[in-house]
Amino acid sequence: EPEVTQTPSHQVTQMGQEVILRCVPISNHLYFYWYRQILGQKVEFLVSFYNNEISEKSEIFDDQFSVERPDGSNFTLKIRSTKLEDSAMYFCASSAPRGTEAFFGQGTRLTVV
Amino acid sequence: GENVEQHPSTLSVQEGDSAVIKCTYSDSASNYFPWYKQELGKGPQLIIDIRSNVGEKKDQRIAVTLNKTAKHFSLHITETQPEDSAVYFCAASVGNTNAGKSTFGDGTTLTVKP
Repeated sequence: EPEVTQTPSHQVTQMGQEVILRCVPISNHLYFYWYRQILGQKVEFLVSFYNNEISEKSEIFDDQFSVERPDGSNFTLKIRSTKLEDSAMYFCASSAPRGTEAFFGQGTRLTVV
Repeated sequence: GENVEQHPSTLSVQEGDSAVIKCTYSDSASNYFPWYKQELGKGPQLIIDIRSNVGEKKDQRIAVTLNKTAKHFSLHITETQPEDSAVYFCAASVGNTNAGKSTFGDGTTLTVKP
């Protein structure tokens, strides 16, 4: 069964450092998303991406964040100058053309120390 | 923006009993309502979804109902089993050609006691 894969599963970084979280969406999907979940809290939308551009973003997704689809398979989330409050699980998701179901990856646990 | 409220936050039932989780949403433009199950250390997994042109949908032991007028939707799990124990999230989105930006509820931790 096709699935969304995320790497790494756990990333520890020093405050102020840049991190890149990587995702490989399901191969025929065209819509990509990043969500985050702070421990014990709800899943929050960060950004959606379609046709090589951001289609929607939340208030959380400020200038510290950026997304990129550097090649035909990867979808990345870059967080510049990480802060302690960026510590969370980050989930990548993708959905098919004209499909409504979003498939989520296993997540990357980011710990900023 | 959209606001989704979910109740209860925790739910404990005996194996074989039914479980009901309720959500309300605020944005009348929302037209797609997925329910996700999240097991420890994993990402949310879609278990059932419903669109706003449908009032009820059933898939084996799981059913979802939607009341567009009242802006609420519910998840019903019958004949619960211990493996149903997980965190369940409802979500609402404006999904036309894609899943769209989903606004999640706070989650319900369901425990099914054997």
